[in-house]
Amino acid sequence: DAKTTQPTSMDCAEGRAANLPCNHSTISGNEYVYWYRQIHSQGPQYIIHGLKNNETNEMASLIITEDRKSSTLILPHATLRDTAVYYCIVRASYNNNDMRFGAGTRLTVKP
Amino acid sequence: DAGVTQSPTHLIKTRGQQVTLRCSPKSGHDTVSWYQQALGQGPQFIFQYYEEEERQRGNFPDRFSGHQFPNYSSELNVNALWLGDSALYLCASSFGPETQYFGPGTRLLVL
Repeated sequence: DAKTTQPTSMDCAEGRAANLPCNHSTISGNEYVYWYRQIHSQGPQYIIHGLKNNETNEMASLIITEDRKSSTLILPHATLRDTAVYYCIVRASYNNNDMRFGAGTRLTVKP
Repeated sequence: DAGVTQSPTHLIKTRGQQVTLRCSPKSGHDTVSWYQQALGQGPQFIFQYYEEEERQRGNFPDRFSGHQFPNYSSELNVNALWLGDSALYLCASSFGPETQYFGPGTRLLVL
């Protein structure tokens, strides 16, 4: 079973920020939080990951709470092309063969 | 720099047949993982190959086997196909335990 809990679906208006929450209350100190997204029938695309600190790259920002039990992926200016299923995954820092994908959050960006 | 590539893109087989799927990792990557994604679900981990050996295996029967070649490319073999094997098969590569990058997938239909 996945170690994370995400809402089934969310909507966002084009041009607005999309904030996708993820709960991972059983996360261990040596586990990363990873985010991937999957656009219809394509392979999952890596977005961002973090351990403790907030992270930002050209695609998104990742905010991790101080107790590390939850996180939020932020797409600052959502476009129609950001419509996808977003997966939040917790995995060990020392190996990557324990990635368990749940059902993810289906984000729909509307014009 | 080519990303992860998979072949074929689509495949149709009948029950009882055998199938071989292929994956070429991203340049510089030495680890290949395979996932099965049924319609409407998240990817499920099948197994991972590193240094030409199966390092970790998910909850899949022995009908699923694999191989990794000296150039780090990999094959997934499925014997005695049944209807439930119809899915999108994803290959992901990484440099050791670092971030996995996914290929576009092979869609297998078993009739």
